[in-house]
Amino acid sequence: NAGVTQTPKFQVLKTGQSMTLQCAQDMNHNSMYWYRQDPGMGLRLIYYSASEGTTDKGEVPNGYNVSRLNKREFSLRLESAAPSQTSVYFCASSERHFTQYFGPGTRLTVL
Amino acid sequence: KNEVEQSPQNLTAQEGEFITINCSYSVGISALHWLQQHPGGGIVSLFMLSSGKKKHGRLIATINIQEKHSSLHITASHPRDSAVYICAANMNRDDKIIFGKGTRLHILP
Repeated sequence: NAGVTQTPKFQVLKTGQSMTLQCAQDMNHNSMYWYRQDPGMGLRLIYYSASEGTTDKGEVPNGYNVSRLNKREFSLRLESAAPSQTSVYFCASSERHFTQYFGPGTRLTVL
Repeated sequence: KNEVEQSPQNLTAQEGEFITINCSYSVGISALHWLQQHPGGGIVSLFMLSSGKKKHGRLIATINIQEKHSSLHITASHPRDSAVYICAANMNRDDKIIFGKGTRLHILP
């Protein structure tokens, strides 16, 4: 089993460009999450999906959109990237209230 | 004030020492997680607790619901334990997860 996979691993964007971060899990989990990690801030929840077809805002949703394409896949889209979105992005999955499994992360730089 | 607070922020110890990292939270929670993040960046879940104590190898996690406090202990610490340890809590009010800022642990050989 691959667990949680994320693509790409690294990305550099110019201000105003758009991109989609992809996440997939093969553990048949219902819940999936997108986090960002910034120095001195810890991990912060952007969006989560408790089940296929549902999504909810987390702590820092502004500037992002998500799609729960099916049970396996949960994508994060930046429509118009800003330098403040420079961060490391982690996807995770779990069954509700159980252990979270994290992807390897995407390091995004917005110039 | 963050709803999940960890202490200390940084900890340096000698190999073999007993390590304690603390986590306190200010609201009702349904579960508390301890995570480990190595210098390469990968995050691994160590424990999920809703009461009592759990042990895995040299790692022990405890939680006191009444005092809203959890601890992560490492016995016989080793340089390979050097990492950032993160506490996170599922909030009762909306089931979202709030993370502490992490404790950076460095074990010297």
